[in-house]
Amino acid sequence: QVQLQQWGAGLWKPSETLSLSCTVSGTSFSGYHWNWIRQPPGKGLEWIGEVNHSGGTNYNPSLKSRVTISLDSSKNEFSLRLSSVTAADTGVFYCARGVVGASWIYYLDYWGQGTPVTVSS
Amino acid sequence: SSELTQDPAVSVALGQTVRITCRGDSFRSYYASWYQQKPGQAPVLVMYGENHRPSGIPDRFSGSSSRNTSSLTITGAQAEDEADYYCQSRDSSGYRMFGGGTKLTVL
Repeated sequence: QVQLQQWGAGLWKPSETLSLSCTVSGTSFSGYHWNWIRQPPGKGLEWIGEVNHSGGTNYNPSLKSRVTISLDSSKNEFSLRLSSVTAADTGVFYCARGVVGASWIYYLDYWGQGTPVTVSS
Repeated sequence: SSELTQDPAVSVALGQTVRITCRGDSFRSYYASWYQQKPGQAPVLVMYGENHRPSGIPDRFSGSSSRNTSSLTITGAQAEDEADYYCQSRDSSGYRMFGGGTKLTVL
C-alpha cells in the first residue's frame, strides 16, 4: 500500500533553513505531484507547493521566495527547504501525493503523518 | 480571485443532512477536492471531482458543484463525522489554495 513517511528535525532557530523529507513507498513518482502543506497551531491548512516526477515545481506565491521542493527518485524521497524561518512558520507540516485526474481535477489522496515544527530561539 | 470561502462552523443533528459549502471563482474552471480532519490527525480525502468518493468513504458523503460554489453533503450525519472539513482548488496560475475550513458539530 502507498505510504508517506516524514522525517526531519522538529525544532529550528529563527533565520535557519528548515529541512524536512518524505519517504515514499508502494508507488512510483511518475505521474504524480508531490506536495507539502502546513498547518499553524489552531488554524487551517496552507498549501506550500509541489514537485512533479520530472522535477518541475509550483509554489504558493506568498512563500515562493523562501521555498524549495525537490525530488530524489533514487532515494524514493522528496524534500522541503524553507529559508529564513520565523516563529510564524511554527506548525505541523504534511507531505501528500497529488493526483491529476484531468486538467480540472486534482486531489491529495495519501498524506504523511505530519511533523510538528517549532521555530524558537 | 485566489480565495476559497467556507463557513467557519456548521452544526447538524444526528441522522440529519448537512451541506458544507465552499465559494470561489475557481469553480468556474476547476473542481474542488474535500478533506476531513479530526483532532491530532492528518487530513483524509473524502471527495473529489464532480462527485467521486475514494474507496472506504461512506456513501452518505456526496459532492456537487455550481458556477462558483462547491458543496459537500452528508446525508444522515453520524457522530464520527464531527471534524474539520477543508476544500481545495486551484487558480489559473496553478496556485492550489485551501479554504479556511468548516468545523462540523454533530449534535
